Amino acid sequence: DTGVSQNPRHKITKRGQNVTFRCDPISEHNRLYWYRQTLGQGPEFLTYFQNEAQLEKSRLLSDRFSAERPKGSFSTLEIQRTEQGDSAMYLCASSPLAGTGELFFGEGSRLTVL
Amino acid sequence: QKEVEQNSGPLSVPEGAIASLNCTYSDRGSQSFFWYRQYSGKSPELIMFIYSNGDKEDGRFTAQLNKASQYVSLLIRDSQPSDSATYLCAVLTYGQNFVFGPGTRLSVLP
Repeated sequence: DTGVSQNPRHKITKRGQNVTFRCDPISEHNRLYWYRQTLGQGPEFLTYFQNEAQLEKSRLLSDRFSAERPKGSFSTLEIQRTEQGDSAMYLCASSPLAGTGELFFGEGSRLTVL
Repeated sequence: QKEVEQNSGPLSVPEGAIASLNCTYSDRGSQSFFWYRQYSGKSPELIMFIYSNGDKEDGRFTAQLNKASQYVSLLIRDSQPSDSATYLCAVLTYGQNFVFGPGTRLSVLP
């Protein structure tokens, strides 16, 4: 069990470009969550999946953000037409369907939009 | 709007003292409550979770939950410099979504 893996770890892009992040959860974890965190703030919920179904998406999330989890394994988070305000750490976490409810976080993908 | 609130700190305590961290939440349907520790530049890691009213102890850590007051706290006894971090309160809502507070930055002074 290698834990939750996120790629790329760092991404620098120019405003207006599209970026995609990938998350590989701990195998057998049914639930997968995406959060965004800026300096000095707690993680802000973006969306979560149970298996391949996207069960909830933050109402605060722009239509420029989309996430998928095909086949209920890895997930991708795409941000289209990036803006400087999108600069943040994007955290992925997974958890099993049964258990304490603990979230297991990846190392995060840091996005810088110039 | 489901909200979780914490004092942002920084909270400074001397080594060996008790650090007390507080959290309030707005959604009465919340089921489970978690405390995560986050070191600078790292991802959050679970410290404790609590489901029922009352106290739950794990080593130097004690979580306290009062659902009537919608209040959760974390006590850290015999604080060590290695406890210096940001402590995040997280609430699991009825919809199985986790809502995090802004975190309290703790500094334990040697």
